[in-house]
Amino acid sequence: SAVISQKPSRDICQRGTSLTIQCQVDSQVTMMFWYRQQPGQSLTLIATANQGSEATYESGFVIDKFPISRPNLTFSTLTVSNLSPEDSSIYLCSVGTASSGTEAFFGQGTRLTVV
Amino acid sequence: SQQGEEDPQALSIQEGENATMNCSYKTSINNLQWYRQNSGRGLVHLILIRSNEREKHSGRLRVTLDTSKKSSSLLITASRAADTASYFCATDHFSGNTPLVFGKGTRLSVIA
Repeated sequence: SAVISQKPSRDICQRGTSLTIQCQVDSQVTMMFWYRQQPGQSLTLIATANQGSEATYESGFVIDKFPISRPNLTFSTLTVSNLSPEDSSIYLCSVGTASSGTEAFFGQGTRLTVV
Repeated sequence: SQQGEEDPQALSIQEGENATMNCSYKTSINNLQWYRQNSGRGLVHLILIRSNEREKHSGRLRVTLDTSKKSSSLLITASRAADTASYFCATDHFSGNTPLVFGKGTRLSVIA
């Protein structure tokens, strides 16, 4: 299993600013995943963060808007840049396990409100 | 991208009743998982069913999987007010270290 500490749990930010979200895992993992959950919606994958290489972004998400760092096997950050009210969402980090077909583990989420 | 469709989108039942939620997906899977989310917080894993399994139980939860119809159902028996949450199915298409693809979710309200 894996325990993920995600922070901040919530924040209210002014438009045009940026917010950096951190996730710390209690074990080494190869890949970390960042999701966005817009109000009342399901989770949409933003990107996959691999240690030692650039993150892989899903369609509709770009590095300039959502830069990701992955400095080691237990830590990652997601920055949401140049905030607009449309960025108001819950952002979640997740890890799988190295074994085939096992559950994923999630941080507690960061609820971002842009005003 | 999302490929799961869940129905109903919202379900309201009385405490003690059973709640059934359905999930459909589009492409072949390695396994299908169900998650619960309270009040927009982190997701909690409930149960995983592999593509070669048809039914699985865990406490008051029963999950079925029909790969020919590309569908799954989650049954919560004898529901409690504390079961009020959003429930998501998620499909895993490869083995390990790959992101899950989530369905749209069912918002369950259990009225005491």
